[in-house]
Amino acid sequence: QQQVKQSPQSLIVQKGGIPIINCAYENTAFDYFPWYQQFPGKGPALLIAIRPDVSEKKEGRFTISFNKSAKQFSLHIMDSQPGDSATYFCAASTASNFGNEKLTFGTGTRLTIIP
Amino acid sequence: EAQVTQNPRYLITVTGKKLTVTCSQNMNHEYMSWYRQDPGLGLRQIYYSMNVEVTDKGDVPEGYKVSRKEKRNFPLILESPSPNQTSLYFCASHPGRGASTDTQYFGPGTRLTVL
Repeated sequence: QQQVKQSPQSLIVQKGGIPIINCAYENTAFDYFPWYQQFPGKGPALLIAIRPDVSEKKEGRFTISFNKSAKQFSLHIMDSQPGDSATYFCAASTASNFGNEKLTFGTGTRLTIIP
Repeated sequence: EAQVTQNPRYLITVTGKKLTVTCSQNMNHEYMSWYRQDPGLGLRQIYYSMNVEVTDKGDVPEGYKVSRKEKRNFPLILESPSPNQTSLYFCASHPGRGASTDTQYFGPGTRLTVL
């Protein structure tokens, strides 16, 4: 059972464009929604995260939009650069997991920014 | 520098030959976990540990063992590896709920091939 569904699987955007990656979740107990960025040969690294008490969070060129009623959240990358080319994972976790800080991941989006 | 280290980074082995992947963190985190990453499936949790001598199964624990004898180390043990355990493995650590940050830190990954 895929509890966090991510789309698209891959995305090609021209430099300066705004790639958008979408995620939908099922478990209403999720209370923390991070996005991870992964470059080839590296482990995932936290990019930005949001909690359901806000509808939007912005850090630099990266913005998370969160829709609690629709159980959806998305990542927007403003003024995208070739250096943003990576695989992006959305994830979710809940405090109601008996101390297990498990992240439930989406299946990933391979983003390519072309010059 | 705060980091999670894993060894080896690459490993090719044969079915049934016991192996151990080591993981160490220098952040004094209480919580550590192991994930495997497979194409189209994202990352899935194998085992986790909330503190020394406290471990429990994640979503895909079959064929794996772990131990937590020291706070900084969390080795993953495959007692009789099989080809379906060919995957990319990540160790992660987290300061635990109540810490000032919810960031989960990932190691660089271990690519395991079981022939």
